[in-house]
Amino acid sequence: DQQVKQNSPSLSVQEGRISILNCDYTNSMFDYFLWYKKYPAEGPTFLISISSIKDKNEDGRFTVFLNKSAKHLSLHIVPSQPGDSAVYFCAAAQLTSGTYKYIFGTGTRLKVLA
Amino acid sequence: ETGVTQTPRHLVMGMTNKKSLKCEQHLGHNAMYWYKQSAKKPLELMFVYNFKEQTENNSVPSRFSPECPNSSHLFLHLHTLQPEDSALYLCASRTGPNTGELFFGEGSRLTVL
Repeated sequence: DQQVKQNSPSLSVQEGRISILNCDYTNSMFDYFLWYKKYPAEGPTFLISISSIKDKNEDGRFTVFLNKSAKHLSLHIVPSQPGDSAVYFCAAAQLTSGTYKYIFGTGTRLKVLA
Repeated sequence: ETGVTQTPRHLVMGMTNKKSLKCEQHLGHNAMYWYKQSAKKPLELMFVYNFKEQTENNSVPSRFSPECPNSSHLFLHLHTLQPEDSALYLCASRTGPNTGELFFGEGSRLTVL
């Protein structure tokens, strides 16, 4: 059973427009959420995170929104740039038996068109 | 230099070989993780170590054997693997024990023939 889902495997956006990447989760015990970006042949790099006590966190062009009642989070990138083209993973974290476990989605491939 | 270094970056091995993957973090973190990334699948958590102690084994087959001699180093010993074990193996670290982001290495691409 996949606890973190990214239902859109790919997304294409024109340069300068907004990119919205979505993520759904099923476990209400998750208390921390993160977005990662991954280029080919590299490890994932951290982008932005949000605690479950907040509904929005912003860092430059990146904003993460959390809707706990819907168990949904989204990443907004505005304006989108060609260098943003990569695979984006959302992750959810839960403290279990003294260990923080991070569960990842399958990723969404974003292509920003120049 | 990245904070988390993985070696080798690429490894090809036969099913009867024994090899090891190495991870080293230079961030002063106390928690280290092994993840497996297979094609079109989410990153799968394998093992977690906090302060050198294993705190999570996500039902990983015994042909994968982790070792954490200190908080900076993590190994994954491989023995009699199967072709379906071919994947990208990612190491990550985090300032433990509370929440924070994981810092990933660049991964070791393993091919089992």
